[in-house]
Amino acid sequence: EPEVTQTPSHQVTQMGQEVILRCVPISNHLYFYWYRQILGQKVEFLVSFYNNEISEKSEIFDDQFSVERPDGSNFTLKIRSTKLEDSAMYFCASSESGQTFQYFGPGTRLTVT
Amino acid sequence: AQSVTQLGSHVSVSEGALVLLRCNYSSSVPPYLFWYVQYPNQGLQLLLKYTTGATLVKGINGFEAEFKKSETSFHLTKPSAHMSDAAEYFCAVSDRGGATNKLIFGTGTLLAVQP
Repeated sequence: EPEVTQTPSHQVTQMGQEVILRCVPISNHLYFYWYRQILGQKVEFLVSFYNNEISEKSEIFDDQFSVERPDGSNFTLKIRSTKLEDSAMYFCASSESGQTFQYFGPGTRLTVT
Repeated sequence: AQSVTQLGSHVSVSEGALVLLRCNYSSSVPPYLFWYVQYPNQGLQLLLKYTTGATLVKGINGFEAEFKKSETSFHLTKPSAHMSDAAEYFCAVSDRGGATNKLIFGTGTLLAVQP
């Protein structure tokens, strides 16, 4: 069965450093998403991406965040200057269309020290 | 705007007992509703979904949920709990009024299964 993959599974970084989280969505999917889950809290939407541009973003997704689809397979989330409060599990998801359900990757646990 | 409320952050049942996890939603348009399960240190796995049609939906691992419009509920049930069901369960509604149907999640219910 096709699946969404994410790398790395765990990333530790120092405050102020840039991080790039990588995702490979399912190959025929057209919509891509990033969500995050701070430890002990609910999963929150960050951003959606379609047709090589951001479709929607949440208040969390400020200027420190950016997304990119650098080639035909990868979908990345960049945090320019990490803060302690960016520590969370980051999930990538993809869907075939805007009307179908989203497949989630296993997540990247980001720890900012 | 859409929202989801999950009653009970922790639910504990005995093995073989009925599992009932509650979810109520708020939506200004006919909702798409989902239950996801998260096992420890893993990602989110879709259990089941409701979009249109039959209001009783069956998912994986013996779970099912019933969409009740009059009660704005989408409770998750399983007749007989198994130890392997211990996990965190998230109810979600699709923001169909938004640009890309992003998912809005509830706060989750941690299910413990006692032997």
